[in-house]
Amino acid sequence: QKEVEQNSGPLSVPEGAIASLNCTYSDRGSQSFFWYRQYSGKSPELIMFIYSNGDKEDGRFTAQLNKASQYVSLLIRDSQPSDSATYLCAVRIYNQGGKLIFGQGTELSVKP
Amino acid sequence: GAVVSQHPSWVICKSGTSVKIECRSLDFQATTMFWYRQFPKQSLMLMATSNEGSKATYEQGVEKDKFLINHASLTLSTLTVTSAHPEDSSFYICSARGGGTTDWDTQYFGPGTRLTVL
Repeated sequence: QKEVEQNSGPLSVPEGAIASLNCTYSDRGSQSFFWYRQYSGKSPELIMFIYSNGDKEDGRFTAQLNKASQYVSLLIRDSQPSDSATYLCAVRIYNQGGKLIFGQGTELSVKP
Repeated sequence: GAVVSQHPSWVICKSGTSVKIECRSLDFQATTMFWYRQFPKQSLMLMATSNEGSKATYEQGVEKDKFLINHASLTLSTLTVTSAHPEDSSFYICSARGGGTTDWDTQYFGPGTRLTVL
């Protein structure tokens, strides 16, 4: 079982819709959770991080964490074509020197 | 804040030569820097973790004698690909951690270096 799993997609949503990206992780020692966006040919850029159970909102983005279910998600409201990218879920596990474990990424396509 | 730069952004070299890539944290002191490699259509692969003033910790399967990492200061880490071969052609990305009091845990990525070995 992979440590961090994401559906590879592509996930296609119409412009203005809500895009829902999901991520599950296997290690219950996971402490910090991150969402990065990566455009083709570019390096990842941080969208947001979440540490505690519940929701965290930042503009059009909402991260949701459920540690009991080992599940973290990212919602993108009012999706725009410029949101089309690969979204990487990353998890930091306790006592592993701060390194992140990345999922394979979900490719999102927002259609005008 | 939390800006990370890399130099060069791309490099083409002949097989057998060595290439050095620099990673700098521009507006914060990075306690830890990470080096990743990414092949087309694949996810990031962590190569090594480096802490300032100490030896890098390499991931399993990564040759430490081929990929030399030096973290000489809190703002600079270098990756040297020694005796590069065409199979080393990839997108190399560094990240730095230690950006502030509230997000010390967060890794900020540099723009990446695209290496092509002929």
